[in-house]
Amino acid sequence: QSVLTQPPSVSAAPGQKVTISCSGSRSTIGNNYVSWYQQLPGTAPKLLIYDNSKRPSGIPDRFSGSKSGTSATLGITGLQTGDEADYYCGTWDSSLSAVVFGGGTKLTV
Amino acid sequence: EVQLLESGGGLVQPGGSLRLSCAASGFTFSSFAMSWVRQAPGKGLEWVSIISDSGDSTYTADSVKGRFTTSRDNSKDTLYLQMNSLRVEDTAVYHCAKYVVATITPAFDYWGQGALVTVSS
Repeated sequence: QSVLTQPPSVSAAPGQKVTISCSGSRSTIGNNYVSWYQQLPGTAPKLLIYDNSKRPSGIPDRFSGSKSGTSATLGITGLQTGDEADYYCGTWDSSLSAVVFGGGTKLTV
Repeated sequence: EVQLLESGGGLVQPGGSLRLSCAASGFTFSSFAMSWVRQAPGKGLEWVSIISDSGDSTYTADSVKGRFTTSRDNSKDTLYLQMNSLRVEDTAVYHCAKYVVATITPAFDYWGQGALVTVSS
Protein backbone atom coordinates (compact mmCIF):
# COMPACT_ATOMS: atom_id res chain seq x y z
CA GLN A 1 0.00 0.00 0.00
CA SER A 2 1.54 3.28 -1.18
CA VAL A 3 1.77 6.38 1.00
CA LEU A 4 0.48 8.43 -1.94
CA THR A 5 -2.79 7.39 -3.58
CA GLN A 6 -3.30 7.47 -7.34
CA PRO A 7 -6.09 6.01 -9.47
CA PRO A 8 -4.94 2.72 -11.03
CA SER A 9 -5.97 3.77 -14.51
CA VAL A 10 -7.36 6.64 -16.57
CA SER A 11 -8.28 6.86 -20.22
CA ALA A 12 -9.16 9.50 -22.78
CA ALA A 13 -9.32 9.88 -26.53
CA PRO A 14 -6.52 11.34 -28.66
CA GLY A 15 -6.53 15.13 -28.58
CA GLN A 16 -8.44 15.26 -25.32
CA LYS A 17 -7.29 16.27 -21.84
CA VAL A 18 -6.78 14.03 -18.83
CA THR A 19 -5.93 14.65 -15.19
CA ILE A 20 -4.27 12.26 -12.76
CA SER A 21 -4.68 12.83 -9.04
CA CYS A 22 -2.26 12.11 -6.22
CA SER A 23 -3.50 12.22 -2.66
CA GLY A 24 -1.29 12.36 0.39
CA SER A 25 -1.18 13.80 3.89
CA ARG A 26 0.16 16.77 5.77
CA SER A 27 3.54 15.08 6.24
CA THR A 28 3.86 14.33 2.52
CA ILE A 29 2.23 16.57 -0.05
CA GLY A 30 0.97 19.01 2.56
CA ASN A 31 4.46 20.16 3.52
CA ASN A 32 6.59 19.25 0.50
CA TYR A 33 6.82 19.72 -3.24
CA VAL A 34 5.52 17.09 -5.67
CA SER A 35 7.17 15.60 -8.73
CA TRP A 36 5.68 13.55 -11.55
CA TYR A 37 7.29 10.85 -13.68
CA GLN A 38 6.33 9.12 -16.91
CA GLN A 39 7.40 5.54 -17.51
CA LEU A 40 6.93 4.20 -21.01
CA PRO A 41 6.86 0.40 -21.31
CA GLY A 42 10.29 -1.13 -20.83
CA THR A 43 12.05 2.17 -20.11
CA ALA A 44 13.33 4.10 -17.13
CA PRO A 45 11.13 6.77 -15.53
CA LYS A 46 11.32 10.27 -16.97
CA LEU A 47 10.82 13.44 -14.94
CA LEU A 48 7.86 15.50 -16.17
CA ILE A 49 7.21 17.93 -13.32
CA TYR A 50 9.08 18.95 -10.17
CA ASP A 51 8.42 21.48 -7.42
CA ASN A 52 4.67 20.99 -8.04
CA SER A 53 4.55 22.73 -11.41
CA LYS A 54 8.01 23.22 -12.95
CA ARG A 55 8.89 21.46 -16.17
CA PRO A 56 12.45 20.35 -16.96
CA SER A 57 13.81 21.57 -20.25
CA GLY A 58 12.46 19.55 -23.13
CA ILE A 59 9.13 18.69 -21.51
CA PRO A 60 6.29 20.17 -23.60
CA ASP A 61 3.78 22.51 -21.99
CA ARG A 62 1.06 19.91 -22.67
CA PHE A 63 2.14 18.58 -19.28
CA SER A 64 1.26 20.63 -16.21
CA GLY A 65 1.22 20.14 -12.47
CA SER A 66 -0.61 21.70 -9.58
CA LYS A 67 -1.00 21.21 -5.86
CA SER A 68 -3.68 22.10 -3.36
CA GLY A 69 -3.46 21.15 0.29
CA THR A 70 -2.59 17.48 0.53
CA SER A 71 -3.34 16.62 -3.10
CA ALA A 72 -1.62 17.16 -6.42
CA THR A 73 -2.72 16.84 -10.01
CA LEU A 74 -0.96 16.12 -13.29
CA GLY A 75 -2.68 17.43 -16.39
CA ILE A 76 -2.00 16.33 -19.94
CA THR A 77 -3.61 18.12 -22.88
CA GLY A 78 -3.63 17.23 -26.57
CA LEU A 79 -3.29 13.55 -25.78
CA GLN A 80 -1.23 11.43 -28.16
CA THR A 81 -0.98 7.67 -28.41
CA GLY A 82 2.67 8.09 -27.45
CA ASP A 83 1.52 9.34 -24.03
CA GLU A 84 0.35 5.85 -23.12
CA ALA A 85 2.46 5.04 -20.08
CA ASP A 86 2.49 4.66 -16.34
CA TYR A 87 2.60 7.92 -14.37
CA TYR A 88 3.90 8.26 -10.83
CA CYS A 89 3.79 11.08 -8.32
CA GLY A 90 6.50 11.45 -5.71
CA THR A 91 7.41 13.60 -2.75
CA TRP A 92 9.19 13.59 0.60
CA ASP A 93 7.58 12.19 3.73
CA SER A 94 8.68 14.40 6.60
CA SER A 95 7.53 11.85 9.18
CA LEU A 96 9.36 8.92 7.63
CA SER A 97 12.36 10.92 6.33
CA ALA A 98 11.88 9.08 3.09
CA VAL A 99 11.01 9.64 -0.55
CA VAL A 100 7.57 8.22 -1.31
CA PHE A 101 5.88 7.42 -4.59
CA GLY A 102 2.30 6.82 -5.57
CA GLY A 103 1.27 3.40 -6.80
CA GLY A 104 1.18 4.60 -10.39
CA THR A 105 -1.57 5.34 -12.90
CA LYS A 106 -1.78 3.62 -16.27
CA LEU A 107 -2.89 6.03 -18.98
CA THR A 108 -4.67 4.61 -22.01
CA VAL A 109 -5.14 6.87 -25.03
CA GLU B 1 25.02 14.19 -22.18
CA VAL B 2 24.16 12.82 -18.77
CA GLN B 3 24.56 9.06 -18.53
CA LEU B 4 24.00 6.69 -15.62
CA LEU B 5 25.04 3.07 -16.11
CA GLU B 6 24.25 0.46 -13.50
CA SER B 7 26.13 -2.82 -13.19
CA GLY B 8 26.50 -5.69 -10.77
CA GLY B 9 23.04 -7.19 -10.94
CA GLY B 10 22.38 -10.90 -11.16
CA LEU B 11 20.96 -13.99 -9.51
CA VAL B 12 21.68 -14.52 -5.82
CA GLN B 13 20.34 -16.90 -3.20
CA PRO B 14 18.32 -15.67 -0.23
CA GLY B 15 20.66 -14.45 2.47
CA GLY B 16 23.35 -13.60 -0.04
CA SER B 17 25.02 -10.32 -0.94
CA LEU B 18 25.48 -8.22 -4.02
CA ARG B 19 27.00 -4.81 -4.78
CA LEU B 20 25.56 -2.57 -7.45
CA SER B 21 27.52 0.21 -9.10
CA CYS B 22 26.30 3.23 -11.03
CA ALA B 23 28.85 4.95 -13.24
CA ALA B 24 27.96 8.58 -13.92
CA SER B 25 29.12 10.84 -16.72
CA GLY B 26 28.13 14.09 -18.40
CA PHE B 27 27.76 16.15 -15.23
CA THR B 28 29.72 17.13 -12.13
CA PHE B 29 28.93 14.04 -10.07
CA SER B 30 30.30 15.44 -6.81
CA SER B 31 27.80 18.33 -6.92
CA PHE B 32 24.63 16.25 -6.83
CA ALA B 33 22.84 14.01 -4.39
CA MET B 34 22.01 10.60 -5.85
CA SER B 35 19.40 7.98 -5.17
CA TRP B 36 18.53 4.34 -5.71
CA VAL B 37 14.97 3.45 -6.70
CA ARG B 38 13.78 -0.09 -7.37
CA GLN B 39 10.90 -1.62 -9.24
CA ALA B 40 9.74 -5.18 -8.65
CA PRO B 41 8.47 -7.02 -11.75
CA GLY B 42 5.10 -5.59 -12.75
CA LYS B 43 5.01 -3.26 -9.74
CA GLY B 44 5.47 0.44 -9.05
CA LEU B 45 8.45 2.52 -8.03
CA GLU B 46 9.92 2.03 -4.55
CA TRP B 47 12.53 4.41 -3.22
CA VAL B 48 15.54 2.71 -1.62
CA SER B 49 18.02 5.39 -0.54
CA ILE B 50 19.47 8.81 -1.09
CA ILE B 51 23.01 10.05 -0.47
CA SER B 52 24.21 13.63 -0.27
CA ASP B 53 26.66 15.10 -2.76
CA SER B 54 29.57 14.67 -0.37
CA GLY B 55 28.46 11.26 0.82
CA ASP B 56 28.30 12.44 4.43
CA SER B 57 24.57 11.95 4.75
CA THR B 58 22.26 9.12 3.71
CA TYR B 59 18.63 8.23 4.14
CA THR B 60 17.41 4.67 3.66
CA ALA B 61 13.97 3.11 3.34
CA ASP B 62 12.79 1.13 6.35
CA SER B 63 12.30 -1.95 4.14
CA VAL B 64 16.06 -2.25 3.57
CA LYS B 65 17.51 -0.42 6.57
CA GLY B 66 20.24 -2.39 8.26
CA ARG B 67 20.74 -4.59 5.19
CA PHE B 68 21.56 -2.11 2.39
CA THR B 69 24.29 0.53 2.45
CA THR B 70 24.63 3.39 -0.01
CA SER B 71 27.99 5.01 -0.70
CA ARG B 72 29.77 6.96 -3.39
CA ASP B 73 33.27 7.59 -4.68
CA ASN B 74 33.39 11.09 -6.11
CA SER B 75 36.91 10.51 -7.44
CA LYS B 76 35.47 7.75 -9.63
CA ASP B 77 32.07 9.34 -10.36
CA THR B 78 30.45 6.19 -9.07
CA LEU B 79 27.52 5.40 -6.78
CA TYR B 80 27.26 2.08 -4.94
CA LEU B 81 24.58 -0.01 -3.26
CA GLN B 82 25.83 -2.81 -1.02
CA MET B 83 23.00 -5.29 -0.48
CA ASN B 84 23.32 -7.89 2.28
CA SER B 85 20.92 -10.47 3.72
CA LEU B 86 18.94 -10.40 0.49
CA ARG B 87 15.36 -11.60 0.51
CA VAL B 88 13.09 -12.87 -2.25
CA GLU B 89 11.11 -9.63 -1.98
CA ASP B 90 14.23 -7.63 -2.91
CA THR B 91 13.91 -8.97 -6.46
CA ALA B 92 13.63 -5.89 -8.68
CA VAL B 93 15.25 -3.67 -11.25
CA TYR B 94 17.41 -1.18 -9.37
CA HIS B 95 17.77 2.28 -10.92
CA CYS B 96 20.21 4.96 -9.90
CA ALA B 97 18.88 8.49 -10.29
CA LYS B 98 20.33 11.99 -10.19
CA TYR B 99 18.88 14.69 -7.93
CA VAL B 100 17.43 17.77 -9.64
CA VAL B 101 19.48 20.90 -9.08
CA ALA B 102 18.12 23.62 -6.81
CA THR B 103 15.08 21.79 -5.49
CA ILE B 104 14.23 21.32 -1.84
CA THR B 105 12.09 18.21 -2.12
CA PRO B 106 13.87 15.28 -3.81
CA ALA B 107 13.15 14.88 -7.49
CA PHE B 108 15.22 13.01 -10.04
CA ASP B 109 15.87 14.26 -13.55
CA TYR B 110 18.06 11.48 -14.93
CA TRP B 111 17.69 7.74 -14.41
CA GLY B 112 19.77 4.77 -15.41
CA GLN B 113 18.19 1.88 -17.28
CA GLY B 114 18.57 -0.28 -14.22
CA ALA B 115 20.20 -3.49 -13.03
CA LEU B 116 18.09 -6.59 -12.45
CA VAL B 117 18.57 -8.31 -9.12
CA THR B 118 16.91 -11.70 -8.73
CA VAL B 119 16.85 -13.34 -5.31
CA SER B 120 15.90 -16.96 -5.59
CA SER B 121 17.00 -20.39 -4.46
